[in-house]
Amino acid sequence: LAKTTQPISMDSYEGQEVNITCSHNNIATNDYITWYQQFPSQGPRFIIQGYKTKVTNEVASLFIPADRKSSTLSLPRVSLSDTAVYYCLVDVDQTGANNLFFGTGTRLTVIP
Amino acid sequence: EAGVVQSPRYKIIEKKQPVAFWCNPISGHNTLYWYRQNLGQGPELLIRYENEEAVDDSQLPKDRFSAERLKGVDSTLKIQPAELGDSAVYLCASSLGRWNTEAFFGQGTRLTVV
Repeated sequence: LAKTTQPISMDSYEGQEVNITCSHNNIATNDYITWYQQFPSQGPRFIIQGYKTKVTNEVASLFIPADRKSSTLSLPRVSLSDTAVYYCLVDVDQTGANNLFFGTGTRLTVIP
Repeated sequence: EAGVVQSPRYKIIEKKQPVAFWCNPISGHNTLYWYRQNLGQGPELLIRYENEEAVDDSQLPKDRFSAERLKGVDSTLKIQPAELGDSAVYLCASSLGRWNTEAFFGQGTRLTVV
C-alpha cells in the first residue's frame, strides 16, 4: 500500500489560499490521488481526484508534479466553513480496486 | 435521491452486549465499505463488499465482528460481544464500483460501550 504523509494541522485566515501537500513516495502506476474532506460528526466527502498535472473543480485544485511523488490540494479564498480535516488517498490494490485507506489527515482551522 | 443511510445514529450499550448497525447504500452502487473511526483518527477500513461478496475483510476482527450484505444491497455490521474499546463511529460508504474513488459516506453510527 502506498503510504501518504500530510501535515497534522494547519491554520489559515479567512480569504487566504490554502495549500495542503501530501507526500506519497511509493505511489504505484495505477494509483489515482484522491482528496476527501470531513467535517465534525459527518462522514468524509469526496473533493477531487487526479492522476497527473492539474485538476480543477468548483471546490479546489489539485496539483501533481511529473514524478507524482507528492500532490498539493489548493483551496482558494477559504472561509470559516472550510474548517475540516482533509485526507489524501492513493491506495489501489493488486486487483486494481480502490481500497480507500485513510491516514490521519490534515486538520485545517480557518481563523476569522 | 437519498444518500447513504445509516441507523441508528447513536447507540449506547453495556459491554458484552451485542449490537448491530444497518446501512442502505445509494441505489446502483455495487461497492460498499464499512469503516471504524476513533476520535482524532482517520477512518479505518473494516470490510469492503463488491455486490454481495466480501472482497477485503482483512481488518475485520473476526472473533467478535461480522458483516453481511444480502442480495448485494443493504448491509449489517454486528459486534458480539461488544468491548469498551469498540466505542467509535462506524461509517458506511458506497461507490459505483471497485475502480471508482468517489465514495459517498453516511453520517455514521456513534457507538458508546459502557
